[in-house]
Amino acid sequence: DAGITQSPRHKVTETGTPVTLRCHQTENHRYMYWYRQDPGHGLRLIHYSYGVKDTDKGEVSDGYSVSRSKTEDFLLTLESATSSQTSVYFCAISATAGTDLNEQFFGPGTRLTVL
Amino acid sequence: AQSVTQPDIHITVSEGASLELRCNYSYGATPYLFWYVQSPGQGLQLLLKYFSGDTLVQGIKGFEAEFKRSQSSFNLRKPSVHWSDAAEYFCAVSPGTYKYIFGTGTRLKVLA
Repeated sequence: DAGITQSPRHKVTETGTPVTLRCHQTENHRYMYWYRQDPGHGLRLIHYSYGVKDTDKGEVSDGYSVSRSKTEDFLLTLESATSSQTSVYFCAISATAGTDLNEQFFGPGTRLTVL
Repeated sequence: AQSVTQPDIHITVSEGASLELRCNYSYGATPYLFWYVQSPGQGLQLLLKYFSGDTLVQGIKGFEAEFKRSQSSFNLRKPSVHWSDAAEYFCAVSPGTYKYIFGTGTRLKVLA
């Protein structure tokens, strides 16, 4: 299994509070991703990173920000959590993109509930 | 626009029966294709992938998938299902960049 951990694994918070989710990898992979998983929607990309300090938006980035100060860590922040952000969040990594090595490996997920 | 369709939301099969999960994609060229499995409360695990070459791909846990360009399909099959195969299955396509497009998933139930 790829060395990917996510913390916390479960979190309950209140509307309007800031929340930060952490993804940590030990594979030294260049690319890291944050997805959210909701019933009927599959996985949708929030943000991704293609290197330290290099990030870009995915399809559902509104209300989220990310940071990557080290190769191994990718942080997802909800500046002011809303109930619509209740979801399961997955981090993924890949060694590269655009070649036959671009398969993504997923972390165990973080279940976030916003009350 | 690129898209992935998994037309079956739920499938129920008896243990020992064969299984086929459908996946259709929309993309102008041949994409990279993947099948992932997600057990309850777990992350996604890669079952198999197709990039080029032989259109019949073997994966882990006895699964295989066949790429059919003419039908824009990449269906997942298993000749004999085990109770432990009960999970949710996701098809994904990538145009060969960072971008993955996931289907909405098929939940498999296995009857003893």
